[in-house]
Amino acid sequence: NAGVTQTPKFQVLKTGQSMTLQCAQDMNHNSMYWYRQDPGMGLRLIYYSASEGTTDKGEVPNGYNVSRLNKREFSLRLESAAPSQTSVYFCASSETGRGPGVLTFGAGSRLTVL
Amino acid sequence: AQSVTQPDIHITVSEGASLELRCNYSYGATPYLFWYVQSPGQGLQLLLKYFSGDTLVQGIKGFEAEFKRSQSSFNLRKPSVHWSDAAEYFCAVAPFSGGYNKLIFGAGTRLAVHP
Repeated sequence: NAGVTQTPKFQVLKTGQSMTLQCAQDMNHNSMYWYRQDPGMGLRLIYYSASEGTTDKGEVPNGYNVSRLNKREFSLRLESAAPSQTSVYFCASSETGRGPGVLTFGAGSRLTVL
Repeated sequence: AQSVTQPDIHITVSEGASLELRCNYSYGATPYLFWYVQSPGQGLQLLLKYFSGDTLVQGIKGFEAEFKRSQSSFNLRKPSVHWSDAAEYFCAVAPFSGGYNKLIFGAGTRLAVHP
């Protein structure tokens, strides 16, 4: 099983450029999440999708948009990248039957905005 | 607001020594509590979780954690550390307001292991 797959693994952008981070899971999980990880701040939730067709804001949604394309895929879009969005981004998924808060994470996408 | 505090940013231990990583949370009710581990260049992996019942929970890789309601703590322990335990460890809480799935993470504790 591949689990949670994120692409790309690394990306460098210039301020104002746009890009989309892709995430796919093959575990038939209902819920999917996007977190960002910054030094000394742990992981902070950007957006999540409790089920196909629904999305909701997390702690730090400004500057981001998401799309739950289908049950497998959950993408994160930066419309106009800013240096403050330099971070490592993690996608995760969860299945209700495994209990709350039990997330499976991808390997991360490191984004640098110049 | 709910929060998670990990007081130690970095900890260094010798291989074979015991380990305790501290975690304190702020939450009105008893939350669901978790420890995740992140090896270099990897995503996070669940070590263990506490939902209810026995306050001492066992996890993978020989780790355990104890929930102490009176101290709002959920400290992670391991009796004998191996070099492969070098990683970053995150405590997390799942508050009811998020339907228990919107985890709130602490800032992490980076563990170094000396041979």
